[in-house]
Amino acid sequence: EVQLVESGGDLVQPGGSLRLSCAASGLVFSTYAMSWVRQAPGKGLEWVAGIRGGGDTVHYADSVKGRFTISRDNSKNTLYLEMNSLRAGDTATYYCAAHYGDYLNRFDLWGQGTLVTVSS
Amino acid sequence: EIVLTQSPGTLSLSPGEKATLSCRASQSVSNNYLAWYQQKPGQAPRLLIYGASSRATGFPDRFSGSGSGTDFTLTISRLEPEDFAVYYCQQYGSLPRTFGQGTKVEIK
Repeated sequence: EVQLVESGGDLVQPGGSLRLSCAASGLVFSTYAMSWVRQAPGKGLEWVAGIRGGGDTVHYADSVKGRFTISRDNSKNTLYLEMNSLRAGDTATYYCAAHYGDYLNRFDLWGQGTLVTVSS
Repeated sequence: EIVLTQSPGTLSLSPGEKATLSCRASQSVSNNYLAWYQQKPGQAPRLLIYGASSRATGFPDRFSGSGSGTDFTLTISRLEPEDFAVYYCQQYGSLPRTFGQGTKVEIK
């Protein structure tokens, strides 16, 4: 069974940092592009960042560029999101999602999400 | 950035009725790279339609997608109780990837 499991969500103060992880199983991880998508409480979906299978190509939403870093460790089948200079507006459930193949296209598979709360 | 506008915001219908959801793009979506997702309360989104009209695995044929360019439609021919949810469109033809704001299909 293909599965994505996020972890690392927590309560953090404004200006703080956090690292999210997404463990993948049941797929050849290195052959899939991956993304992070977030959803603020009661709101819609927002794509945050994406990375291709080899880890050499990354893209970010303007809202997080310069503050967040997406990366992956294919030997551990794990995707990461390093979040710095966190703001209240970053409060959301963060989902990792696998694309169809090695391109940032449709989001074929989603994890269950991890909640990040930015508050003092 | 391509802005996707979904309408209506909320659709109140009864089981057995037909649902028609609209997604309009601020500029043409290349290659009709338009997807729809279904999200139920407390759950992650789930891919429903891709390439504007191809149905994802696990969804019945009462769900159909259509459209091209800037205008896309998701149709649910006869609503079943499990279809009441929020539906999002998303384009993957250009960066950044963007979503519509969602349409909630609720029981009337």
